[in-house]
Amino acid sequence: GAVVSQHPSRVICKSGTSVKIECRSLDFQATTMFWYRQFPKQSLMLMATSNEGSKATYEQGVEKDKFLINHASLTLSTLTVTSAHPEDSSFYICSARVGGGSDEQYFGPGTRLTVT
Amino acid sequence: GQQLNQSPQSMFIQEGEDVSMNCTSSSIFNTWLWYKQEPGEGPVLLIALYKAGELTSNGRLTAQFGITRKDSFLNISASIPSDVGIYFCAGRYGNKLVFGAGTILRVKS
Repeated sequence: GAVVSQHPSRVICKSGTSVKIECRSLDFQATTMFWYRQFPKQSLMLMATSNEGSKATYEQGVEKDKFLINHASLTLSTLTVTSAHPEDSSFYICSARVGGGSDEQYFGPGTRLTVT
Repeated sequence: GQQLNQSPQSMFIQEGEDVSMNCTSSSIFNTWLWYKQEPGEGPVLLIALYKAGELTSNGRLTAQFGITRKDSFLNISASIPSDVGIYFCAGRYGNKLVFGAGTILRVKS
């Protein structure tokens, strides 16, 4: 149980284009999903909290117009990196909170974004 | 904001040895979690700790939630090659997690 998937696993895009990353909870409903960014050999940094049916809550320093988050259903959240630049290249990981008896976050496998 | 200090930064051990890593914080957390991340993958939850002083095992892994709620350790007994990876501690506040910097574990067989 508590399986989270991400798509795509890897994406290469050109500067100036937008990229959408999907995060799905496969066997449970997640009212809350989280988006993290991880640079090589570094820890995970929370970017935003995605709440189903409402606006995402962004961490300080994260541009909401740059990183658009949509949590349209209880099993799907999307992160769109708009007008991507090379400095946006990173490993993006989502997680979903199980809720109910267990309140823990389960992570997706990550998406490697490379902007050329 | 909350910060977790995780140590050691990396370990290179012989197969069969026991491993210990820990995290400390200046802030109190109500939940401590330990995750393992392998290259190109997302973190996988190993152990969750909910009560101060709690000692929990998961196979060869044992973790404890410090009595002050400001620290936790993770022990791995009789390490094997597949234990290789990065181990992260995380403290939960509200519905958010803050992560330690990670401990890179390498096992020599």
